[in-house]
Amino acid sequence: DAGVIQSPRHEVTEMGQEVTLRCKPISGHNSLFWYRQTMMRGLELLIYFNNNVPIDDSGMPEDRFSAKMPNASFSTLKIQPSEPRDSAVYFCASRPDGDNQPQHFGDGTRLSIL
Amino acid sequence: DQQVKQNSPSLSVQEGRISILNCDYTNSMFDYFLWYKKYPAEGPTFLISISSIKDKNEDGRFTVFLNKSAKHLSLHIVPSQPGDSAVYFCAASNTNNNDMRFGAGTRLTVKP
Repeated sequence: DAGVIQSPRHEVTEMGQEVTLRCKPISGHNSLFWYRQTMMRGLELLIYFNNNVPIDDSGMPEDRFSAKMPNASFSTLKIQPSEPRDSAVYFCASRPDGDNQPQHFGDGTRLSIL
Repeated sequence: DQQVKQNSPSLSVQEGRISILNCDYTNSMFDYFLWYKKYPAEGPTFLISISSIKDKNEDGRFTVFLNKSAKHLSLHIVPSQPGDSAVYFCAASNTNNNDMRFGAGTRLTVKP
């Protein structure tokens, strides 16, 4: 069974450019999460969706960040315009409904903004 | 606001011995606790979990202990193997596991 799939694995772009990160959750998982990992702040939750609906976006750092989930098998995290301080590893995770179900993570996108 | 703390950034043990990784939390509303293992260039992989109704959960070489009164949990790996070398993250959430908070991680090195 395929795990959570993220693309691209690496992205290097110049400041000011738009960046789009993609995620395909595990089939049958109803909740999807976007995390950011940095040295300073560790792993922090940005936003999560349940049944394609954004439930909590309080972790999104600012208006330059947006996330969508147009269907159960696809989500995007977009940064526009990007800044050097956005450089981090971005992880997507998914989990099925039900109590005490762990989240399963993709391998992340390493983003570098020059 | 660090609600989950792993105070040891690194731990080194000899192959075959026990590894003990510790984690403390501050939010008494947390009732579901997890350990994840992370290799370089990969995402965190779920290892083991425990709900607050238990004080111990065991899965093969891995055992998680929960002390609710102390707001402390630990992961025991015995016997440790070189392949266990990784960064271990402690995480905590409420039962629906949608607002999961992570510790900073402990890098475990198991020496042959």
